[in-house]
Amino acid sequence: DGGITQSPKYLFRKEGQNVTLSCEQNLNHDAMYWYRQDPGQGLRLIYYSQIVNDFQKGDIAEGYSVSREKKESFPLTVTSAQKNPTAFYLCASAGTGLLNEQFFGPGTRLTVL
Amino acid sequence: KQEVTQIPAALSVPEGENLVLNCSFTDSAIYNLQWFRQDPGKGLTSLLLIQSSQREQTSGRLNASLDKSSGRSTLYIAASQPGDSATYLCAVRPLFNTGGFKTIFGAGTRLFVKA
Repeated sequence: DGGITQSPKYLFRKEGQNVTLSCEQNLNHDAMYWYRQDPGQGLRLIYYSQIVNDFQKGDIAEGYSVSREKKESFPLTVTSAQKNPTAFYLCASAGTGLLNEQFFGPGTRLTVL
Repeated sequence: KQEVTQIPAALSVPEGENLVLNCSFTDSAIYNLQWFRQDPGKGLTSLLLIQSSQREQTSGRLNASLDKSSGRSTLYIAASQPGDSATYLCAVRPLFNTGGFKTIFGAGTRLFVKA
């Protein structure tokens, strides 16, 4: 059963704490993405990766970090430098073939206490 | 810079109506356009993807059209049902990326179908 999984579903962070959001895919996709969604707004790109051991900053990368050590995994760390991290975080993947259709995980809701 | 706009932001219709959701984009140089559905608190589900060379795609009661020259796409939903209630997002992948497969999303149209 192919797809994208994200964990945890809900995450609470104290101020000054770093937290890591997990994203795993078994679709054999090369490209993976992290988006942030705030109420009433479209998705904003945080980081993306086209291939293992390579990733690029998106539009709102400040205060976030990622790694891509395996094709299947693209974890996102929200650092204490991110001043307003409360949001819904979505991970996606896409093949790099002709279609380039994006598929999304179920999301992680992060709340700062 | 590519911008994607969806109007209206919210829409309420009675069950059984046919309806059209609109998406406009500012730069016609696109690789593809994708329509998604999002239920509250959930991830996005891909509905239809239209390549730049295509004019429309159909899946069941859904039909999406693409007019690159005018920078518009529409999602037509036939015989709407309460289960269609969700937010519908339009996303454009520009033809020329500055460094990757970046996609630009609209803010979505929140649809409510009344029983």
